[in-house]
Amino acid sequence: DIQMTQSPSSLSASVGDRVTITCRASQSISSFLSWCQQKPGKAPKLLIYAASSLQSGVPSRFSGSGSGTDFTLTISSLQPEDFATYYCQQSYSTPRTFGQGTKVEIK
Amino acid sequence: QVQLQESGPGLVKPSQTLSLTCTVSGGSISSGNYYWNWIRQPAGKGLEWIGRIYTSGSTSYNPSLKSRVTISVDTSKNQFSLRLSSVTAADTAVYYCARDVAAAGHMDVWGQGTTVTVSS
Repeated sequence: DIQMTQSPSSLSASVGDRVTITCRASQSISSFLSWCQQKPGKAPKLLIYAASSLQSGVPSRFSGSGSGTDFTLTISSLQPEDFATYYCQQSYSTPRTFGQGTKVEIK
Repeated sequence: QVQLQESGPGLVKPSQTLSLTCTVSGGSISSGNYYWNWIRQPAGKGLEWIGRIYTSGSTSYNPSLKSRVTISVDTSKNQFSLRLSSVTAADTAVYYCARDVAAAGHMDVWGQGTTVTVSS
């Protein structure tokens, strides 16, 4: 199985801050990496796919980068509605695997 | 737009079989090039992929659950289903169904999730 490791596990930030979350795969996954956002009691929502493609309807303050084993999700200016948990997921092979999540909290 | 809705018992006894159904609305489960997935999330924990099915009936399961999991599809009802046998308290979780784009594998549509508790 491909292991996905996110860092940090949690962070505190203020509205307007630039936030960066990283995700590392245990082997190369090319660009088969997506990011999703989950709010308490809700289903995950796709933000980024193919490492850097923005899902339709997702604000442009979200961006993704990377390939191979190292990936980044960036929120350029954190908004109140962005406080949530973020997961990366690899789709290079089965079983599909997720990172452990990064909880973004209000500072 | 396509929507997914999970349904099934919220309480299952230990050693019994958990059965859930995901109903696809707003589009045909057979159209397009998609896989149909089950994912679960224990309270306060991360996401675990259970498995997926293509409308041809081809399946792929997480090796950690493979001996207990069956995913099936009923195209006439626009549904796919999950059966997990010999459940224990460790199977207590929110269960989600989700669609993934076969060529790329990202899960672009999710159901709202259903909570299943394993308890006597």
